[in-house]
Amino acid sequence: DAKTTQPTSMDCAEGRAANLPCNHSTISGNEYVYWYRQIHSQGPQYIIHGLKNNETNEMASLIITEDRKSSTLILPHATLRDTAVYYCIVRVGPLLGGNTPLVFGKGTRLSVIA
Amino acid sequence: DVKVTQSSRYLVKRTGEKVFLECVQDMDHENMFWYRQDPGLGLRLIYFSYDVKMKEKGDIPEGYSVSREKKERFSLILESASTNQTSMYLCASSTDAENTGELFFGEGSRLTVL
Repeated sequence: DAKTTQPTSMDCAEGRAANLPCNHSTISGNEYVYWYRQIHSQGPQYIIHGLKNNETNEMASLIITEDRKSSTLILPHATLRDTAVYYCIVRVGPLLGGNTPLVFGKGTRLSVIA
Repeated sequence: DVKVTQSSRYLVKRTGEKVFLECVQDMDHENMFWYRQDPGLGLRLIYFSYDVKMKEKGDIPEGYSVSREKKERFSLILESASTNQTSMYLCASSTDAENTGELFFGEGSRLTVL
């Protein structure tokens, strides 16, 4: 079972920040938060992951609350090409001994509107 | 560029036929996975493998088998295809050598069983 809760869908105006929330209230201390996205007709693509601290890369920022029970993926300037299904997943990191496969929930369908 | 290649993008088979879906990765990854994706159901894990000649059942293994004779190749086998196996099949690979746990996906194989 997926251990996260995400809204089914969201809209965002092109050029604005897209903030995608995820609840993971049962997250364990050694579990990371991973974000993937799937553009139509393609395989899912890794975006970012984090444990406790906020993270940023060239694609997005990940904000994790202090209690780690929720997080937000931020696409700072959404474009039409960011229209996709976004998946939030929690699991133990490989170097911490985790080797369970990623379990994908239904994700959030983000529509970026011109 | 890292690559996961699935042998066929589109296949059409008849009920009862034996179907082979091939997946090859060029990243020397030890872990390989087969998912299927259906509208409204998201991605579901069929089988996975952490090493050559090893396999583990995922959430929906019934009606499928797998083969991992070489590290780079993971085959999904439908012994006797049925119409309810019409789906998009996605292969992925990962390594435990990095803590990202990032999954690299192929482009998918869309199977239609008539």
